[in-house]
Amino acid sequence: KAGVTQTPRYLIKTRGQQVTLSCSPISGHRSVSWYQQTPGQGLQFLFEYFSETQRNKGNFPGRFSGRQFSNSRSEMNVSTLELGDSALYLCASSQTDEKLFFGSGTQLSVL
Amino acid sequence: GQQVMQIPQYQHVQEGEDFTTYCNSSTTLSNIQWYKQRPGGHPVFLIQLVKSGEVKKQKRLTFQFGEAKKNSSLHITATQTTDVGTYFCAGLGGTSYGKLTFGQGTILTVHP
Repeated sequence: KAGVTQTPRYLIKTRGQQVTLSCSPISGHRSVSWYQQTPGQGLQFLFEYFSETQRNKGNFPGRFSGRQFSNSRSEMNVSTLELGDSALYLCASSQTDEKLFFGSGTQLSVL
Repeated sequence: GQQVMQIPQYQHVQEGEDFTTYCNSSTTLSNIQWYKQRPGGHPVFLIQLVKSGEVKKQKRLTFQFGEAKKNSSLHITATQTTDVGTYFCAGLGGTSYGKLTFGQGTILTVHP
């Protein structure tokens, strides 16, 4: 089975722009979670989708949004980018036992 | 909300020494998971503990889940240079579907 695929791998944006990140889960996995990883804050939970429904949301501002499609692929959008949004964004998929399989992440740099 | 604290933040050891990282949750967990992230890589699942007092072993790694299901530990015996990386615990609360709360991680450096 193919692993979790995240695109793009690297992204450079400027403040005020918006960005969309994509995640394709492992085939058969219906849950997709997003995490933000920074050196100082560790792994921070953004949101989790299951069968196109957001089941849980972390403590991030409304500029961070996501969605999941009927094929379980997910996208994450960040609008009005700020310097502090620079981070590695990790997507993870899982089946019902909640064990997470992470993708390689998208490294976002905001200049 | 649920918080998971992990200590120490950094650990430097000589190859062959033992290593332990500890994880404490502010609330009772339904399960706890451990992940390893190699430098430049992404977190990789190691193990899941579900039962109170559970102990599981994977070769030189020993994982424990506390009796109250609020704490856990990972112990590595006789570390090797291949053990370098960041070790994360992640707890799942009773009703937090899909919302694993990660500890800050312990960065392990092994000196040959």
